[in-house]
Amino acid sequence: DAGVTQSPTHLIKTRGQQVTLRCSPKSGHDTVSWYQQALGQGPQFIFQYYEEEERQRGNFPDRFSGHQFPNYSSELNVNALLLGDSALYLCASSFSSPIEAFFGQGTRLTVV
Amino acid sequence: KQEVTQIPAALSVPEGENLVLNCSFTDSAIYNLQWFRQDPGKGLTSLLLIQSSQREQTSGRLNASLDKSSGRSTLYIAASQPGDSATYLCASAYSGAGSYQLTFGKGTKLSVIP
Repeated sequence: DAGVTQSPTHLIKTRGQQVTLRCSPKSGHDTVSWYQQALGQGPQFIFQYYEEEERQRGNFPDRFSGHQFPNYSSELNVNALLLGDSALYLCASSFSSPIEAFFGQGTRLTVV
Repeated sequence: KQEVTQIPAALSVPEGENLVLNCSFTDSAIYNLQWFRQDPGKGLTSLLLIQSSQREQTSGRLNASLDKSSGRSTLYIAASQPGDSATYLCASAYSGAGSYQLTFGKGTKLSVIP
């Protein structure tokens, strides 16, 4: 089992650009959640996808959007990048009921 | 709104010492509490999960306890080793809008000195 995989591992973008991050969940998991972790902080919940629908959303602007595909993989899109969007973006997968969440290694996004 | 606090923010101990990390949460209506380890610049590794109906979980040298009534959880690490050096995060899972999300503390950065 490959676990949760994220791509790319590192990314540098210019302010105002758009970025897409990708996540493949652990085998058998149908729910994908995305988190943003700023330096020195705990991860903050962005949104959660289940059955290809956004099921819940945290306190993030509409510039943050996502998608879940029929194979349960997911994308996180961020438009009009700001310097403050620089962070480690973490993907977590789980079953739809609230049991153990497994995280990927993260994507380090740097906005310059 | 659920808030999770971890104390201390940083901890340095000599190798071999037993230690306790603390986690407190404001809303006791949680599904479970999960402890994670994070190495610098890396993702999160799940260490222990305690369901809301449980009081504690053990894995090797790690023991986590949960007291919902007081809104507290502790992670006990026995006979610490330099390889235990990392940031430890606790997260509570609670429901909202038909699903659930994890709320994290800021973590405790542990350094085990050889």
